[in-house]
Amino acid sequence: EVQLVQSGAEVKKPGESLKISCKGSGYSFTSYCIGWVRQMPGKGLEWMGIIYPDDSDTRYSPSFQGQVTISADKSISTAYLQWSSLKASDTAIYYCARLNGPRSNPEDAVFDFWGQGTLVTVPS
Amino acid sequence: SYELTQPPSVSVSPGQSASIACSGDKLGDKYASWFQQRPGQSPVLVIYQDNKRPSGIPERFSGSNSGNTATLTISGTQAMDEADYYCQAWDSSTVVFGGGTKLTVL
Repeated sequence: EVQLVQSGAEVKKPGESLKISCKGSGYSFTSYCIGWVRQMPGKGLEWMGIIYPDDSDTRYSPSFQGQVTISADKSISTAYLQWSSLKASDTAIYYCARLNGPRSNPEDAVFDFWGQGTLVTVPS
Repeated sequence: SYELTQPPSVSVSPGQSASIACSGDKLGDKYASWFQQRPGQSPVLVIYQDNKRPSGIPERFSGSNSGNTATLTISGTQAMDEADYYCQAWDSSTVVFGGGTKLTVL
């Protein structure tokens, strides 16, 4: 059974750093891309970026480039999303999702399995 | 940047069909996916590559995509289908989500 298990909820202060995780199981972790998606309170889904765990090739949404860092450790089948200096506006639920499709043509790929989400709260 | 537009809300009576539209420039030239998100839960893929259903998704969910509009149709809508629905497509190697549609079954 494919599973993406994310790390638990976090409450941080503005300016603090944070790294949240997404551990894949039930499939070959290096054979599929992992994406990250933000959902601010009461709002819709926003794509942040993707990573190919086999070689850590990473692509970011222009909206999030420079704001976060996506990484992966294939030895433990885990992808990460990190911030160096959190802001109140980073308060949101963050989802990881597996991207299923050909690397040669990612626009044919599909987000087929999602993690349970990690709530990050940064009180102002 | 590329945008996908959905109506904020759609209402349907139990047992009737519900259609949710997603519009974008030449969307029919791309693949559209649809996700269901019930309150407090993670998104679930219900339609991919315009009209394919993942394993475990009921047959009452169907999709189409032509011109500038992709459409998710739920036939024989049930109370359990009440949720937010998001369309998604790729444009220039970028993932784009629609703003979401709240489906109310009343």
